[in-house]
Amino acid sequence: YALTQPPSMSVSPGQTATITCSGDDLADKYVSWYQHLPGQSPVLVLYQDSKRPSGIPERFSGFTSGNTATLVISGTQATDEADYYCQAWDTALVFGGGTRLTVL
Amino acid sequence: QPRLQESGPGLVKPSETLSLTCSVSGASVRSTGDYWGWVRQPPGKGLEWIGNIYYSGNTYYSPSLQSRVSLFVDTSRDQFSLSLTSVTAADTAIYYCARASSFAFDVWGLGILVTVSS
Repeated sequence: YALTQPPSMSVSPGQTATITCSGDDLADKYVSWYQHLPGQSPVLVLYQDSKRPSGIPERFSGFTSGNTATLVISGTQATDEADYYCQAWDTALVFGGGTRLTVL
Repeated sequence: QPRLQESGPGLVKPSETLSLTCSVSGASVRSTGDYWGWVRQPPGKGLEWIGNIYYSGNTYYSPSLQSRVSLFVDTSRDQFSLSLTSVTAADTAIYYCARASSFAFDVWGLGILVTVSS
């Protein structure tokens, strides 16, 4: 099982960033999203497709439809510049390849 | 707030066994519904799942690593461990331990860099 993400994307400060993650029958699985800053541990930003852990800003949201899960970052800030990974469970746990988000 | 801390050697020789331990504080490995797992990141690459373990001893391994990996849990010490045999340079990575709750890794250790080199 594989999850496919775009390798990179860029967004202007204050704009909305949408990061996609594609996989077979993804809507039937729980999808999580992680933010990974260089030199730090990954941080869970969404779980079960759209739920935010405590402490994650409301500008992070998500949804899954069909074969695609989407992470939406509204009002993107410079501090949101990071690698973002989707993750799901099939017969095993799988991470997407990651998307490097550049805010410029 | 739970904390996880990886420990073990930072340098392992090719063909030998990589062994790491994750110590859990502020939580119990016996917590119902929580799984405990390992994730690694090779230099310049993405995250790779290694495996998860439940306090009962049930294990779940990545298909690509299952022939070489074993996970163990020590409920008396609130620790869980990773063993990866026959390592090569391709196993050089930052290794993270993490708690899996509600199908997601919600608490992560700081990570430990393990280099495979003679």
